[in-house]
Amino acid sequence: AQRVTQPEKLLSVFKGAPVELKCNYSYSGSPELFWYVQYSRQRLQLLLRHISRESIKGFTADLNKGETSFHLKKPFAQEEDSAMYYCALKGNTGFQKLVFGTGTRLLVSP
Amino acid sequence: DAGVTQSPTHLIKTRGQQVTLRCSPKSGHDTVSWYQQALGQGPQFIFQYYEEEERQRGNFPDRFSGHQFPNYSSELNVNALLLGDSALYLCASSEGVSSYNEQFFGPGTRLTVL
Repeated sequence: AQRVTQPEKLLSVFKGAPVELKCNYSYSGSPELFWYVQYSRQRLQLLLRHISRESIKGFTADLNKGETSFHLKKPFAQEEDSAMYYCALKGNTGFQKLVFGTGTRLLVSP
Repeated sequence: DAGVTQSPTHLIKTRGQQVTLRCSPKSGHDTVSWYQQALGQGPQFIFQYYEEEERQRGNFPDRFSGHQFPNYSSELNVNALLLGDSALYLCASSEGVSSYNEQFFGPGTRLTVL
């Protein structure tokens, strides 16, 4: 079964503090992992995907197959990072179906 | 380009009724997927349409059906509405069905079933 777990509903940090949003997954094959972000009053949008191995807006995420994790990290949080973050998984079946976690709300205070 | 557009924005129905939601994909996109997002949950895949055919389906009952038109726009139909169908319905489009292609999401239609 495909499953994505985001254990934290809310993560509250101060500006400049490091951020780590946790994501664990369950999948029997080799999935593709994504982070999506939804800023206030905006639509859901792709933040990054593990195959790109790039940093977007200072965020990075490394796929750890041993721990089946794909945590999102940023060394210094900014107020504009406040948003809802969803971790998602796509199987290696060739289809586009995304399986999402329940999301973590990140609140960055000044 | 307005991106993916959905209509209506909000909708209120009563139990047992039927509803149709509409989606226009981003310019140049030919593949449309539908997701249901219940309150406090992540989006859940309903189905995907490509070349006017349902290509993949999630774990949703037959009350949920869809259609894709020759201009690539799509409709989601839900029959015999239940209270539990209250949710935000998201449409996502992509260029082709390759699993490598990014899906772009619309703003959603908020359905309330009373």
